[in-house]
Amino acid sequence: DVKVTQSSRYLVKRTGEKVFLECVQDMDHENMFWYRQDPGLGLRLIYFSYDVKMKEKGDIPEGYSVSREKKERFSLILESASTNQTSMYLCASSPGGLAFQETQYFGPGTRLLVL
Amino acid sequence: AQKITQTQPGMFVQEKEAVTLDCTYDTSDPSYGLFWYKQPSSGEMIFLIYQGSYDQQNATEGRYSLNFQKARKSANLVISASQLGDSAMYFCAMRHYSGGGADGLTFGKGTHLIIQP
Repeated sequence: DVKVTQSSRYLVKRTGEKVFLECVQDMDHENMFWYRQDPGLGLRLIYFSYDVKMKEKGDIPEGYSVSREKKERFSLILESASTNQTSMYLCASSPGGLAFQETQYFGPGTRLLVL
Repeated sequence: AQKITQTQPGMFVQEKEAVTLDCTYDTSDPSYGLFWYKQPSSGEMIFLIYQGSYDQQNATEGRYSLNFQKARKSANLVISASQLGDSAMYFCAMRHYSGGGADGLTFGKGTHLIIQP
C-alpha cells in the first residue's frame, strides 16, 4: 500500500514564526503535492513538484514556499506564519506520467493553528 | 480555467437507500479526468472512483458508480445500498494537465453525507 506520512497531525504556531510541514512518501512516486483545506472551500492546490528540486506553483502559492531535496520528501514552508494560514494542510503523491487516471494518494493531514 | 461545482452542501439519507451526489464541471480541455474522494471525520482522503473524458462507459467500483454525462458536463457519484460507514465528506475533483509533467487536482467544495439508521 502507498503510504504518505506527514510530520505532525496538529501544530500550533505564533504569528511571524517560520513553519515547516514535512511530507514523506514511500512508493518512489515522482509527483508530490501540497493542498490546503478550508471549510466551505474544498481543497486548493498550493504547490506541486514533479521531480527533485523542481517545483510548480498551484492556485494559491502566496505566502508559501516548498523544498524537494529528495524524491521521497516534500516540505511546505511558511516563511512568516499569519493567522489566515490557519488551515488543514494535506500532502499527496502520485506515481508520475501522463495518464489521466493516475490517482493521487493523500497523507493524514496537518491541522495548523496560527495564533 | 477549470471549475468543479457541488451544489449539495449536505445530505441526509436513510440507511440502505441509494444516494446520488451531484458534480458539474467546467473545462475547455478535451482531455481530462474526474475523481471522487471520500473524507471521513478522521481526515484522510480516500480515492473512490475515476472517469476519463474519453471513456465510453460509466465507471463502477463496487457500490460506487459514476453517472458521466459529458454533454451536460456532469459526473455524479451514485452509492448503492448506503451504509452507516458511508457518512463522510465527498469531494469531486478534476485533473488538469499543465504540460509540465505533473498536474494538480481542482476540487469542488464537497458534500457532507450523513447516513441515518
